[in-house]
Amino acid sequence: DAMVIQNPRYQVTQFGKPVTLSCSQTLNHNVMYWYQQKSSQAPKLLFHYYDKDFNNEADTPDNFQSRRPNTSFCFLDIRSPGLGDAAMYLCATSSGDTENIQYFGAGTRLSVL
Amino acid sequence: DQQVKQNSPSLSVQEGRISILNCDYTNSMFDYFLWYKKYPAEGPTFLISISSIKDKNEDGRFTVFLNKSAKHLSLHIVPSQPGDSAVYFCAARFNDYKLSFGAGTTVTVRA
Repeated sequence: DAMVIQNPRYQVTQFGKPVTLSCSQTLNHNVMYWYQQKSSQAPKLLFHYYDKDFNNEADTPDNFQSRRPNTSFCFLDIRSPGLGDAAMYLCATSSGDTENIQYFGAGTRLSVL
Repeated sequence: DQQVKQNSPSLSVQEGRISILNCDYTNSMFDYFLWYKKYPAEGPTFLISISSIKDKNEDGRFTVFLNKSAKHLSLHIVPSQPGDSAVYFCAARFNDYKLSFGAGTTVTVRA
């Protein structure tokens, strides 16, 4: 089945230790997104790619970076995780159609010790 | 600045009855509205959408109503089933590729 796959499902890192989360898709969608979601809050868009064009949200901290080496893969790099970065990170894809239906992965739960 | 708000964090409904989930928004430039459903340990999945030029869209047991003058939309689930127990997110499109999400409403369907 075509899908959006996030690895790992759970990630534990130490305060200040860089961490990379990965996302792959078999939908061949042009657009890929990274969201941060904290408990009982709305998913918050960090950035998105349209093909190789990177679009950062104005309030996304510099601590968060992203790479998209090809259509299928997208990575979220957190350069120096703080305790406040503990959250669920969701990857999504979209074909960029009229409705902008986004297809989500199951997420990576990040813990920072 | 939360542009999409779901003011009810939870809803409990008896099986077979109607579930009504509400969503308010502030940005009159939103042109599409979507509802997503999320089970534990899974990502959100698309449920139903509505264009801002319509006031109702129906898909089986799910109907979304849009009241543009009130900047309000609602999702009706009739009849509610145990498998409908999940978190429901309201989302709105405000440019070509981005969505703004509400914080979600947890629905529990009681047998």
